[in-house]
Amino acid sequence: DTEVTQTPKHLVMGMTNKKSLKCEQHMGHRAMYWYKQKAKKPPELMFVYSYEKLSINESVPSRFSPECPNSSLLNLHLHALQPEDSALYLCASSQALQAGENEQFFGPGTRLTVL
Amino acid sequence: GEDVEQSLFLSVREGDSSVINCTYTDSSSTYLYWYKQEPGAGLQLLTYIFSNMDMKQDQRLTVLLNKKDKHLSLRIADTQTGDSAIYFCVLATSGTYKYIFGTGTRLKVLA
Repeated sequence: DTEVTQTPKHLVMGMTNKKSLKCEQHMGHRAMYWYKQKAKKPPELMFVYSYEKLSINESVPSRFSPECPNSSLLNLHLHALQPEDSALYLCASSQALQAGENEQFFGPGTRLTVL
Repeated sequence: GEDVEQSLFLSVREGDSSVINCTYTDSSSTYLYWYKQEPGAGLQLLTYIFSNMDMKQDQRLTVLLNKKDKHLSLRIADTQTGDSAIYFCVLATSGTYKYIFGTGTRLKVLA
């Protein structure tokens, strides 16, 4: 199984809502990533988990809250988002945290719209 | 920080070859990847090259690396309409955690 799955595919939420994005992989990868991608732009790194611990937070606003309940699952909890947070949210995983030696596998993304 | 630039757009006819270019500033990159992204989808790894290589061929794909000029290219032979997508070069350096994405090239294949 070389797949990263993400749910939901699409999400529309109001600025006062609380929602969560989910990501799952069963490749035994120990590093998992959240990226945000705006239209016609490359993905921007948000968070990195290594061995279920948060290793990197790229100065992301606290209205985004990541969680890694186990080695296969990664969640992104959303609360009080702004319309400018509308984007494609991509999850990725790699064998380990060291870039380069470990290629990233990406999920299909969740298209988020904040009204 | 590392700058990775790609031309924004490329249009080719079906059956022709496509060449997508990528230039970068940091010579410490050790792994250089090419990813494909179809509309509204995630990124699919196409191929990669190590910095100690000059060329890698993988079926219709040929990657060329010119370290002196800090230039990476992806050649797609016999381009098909299914190759229409955005292509990102992505650089990584051993011992770091970050993957540096290029600006992306939108390839349009005309039938």
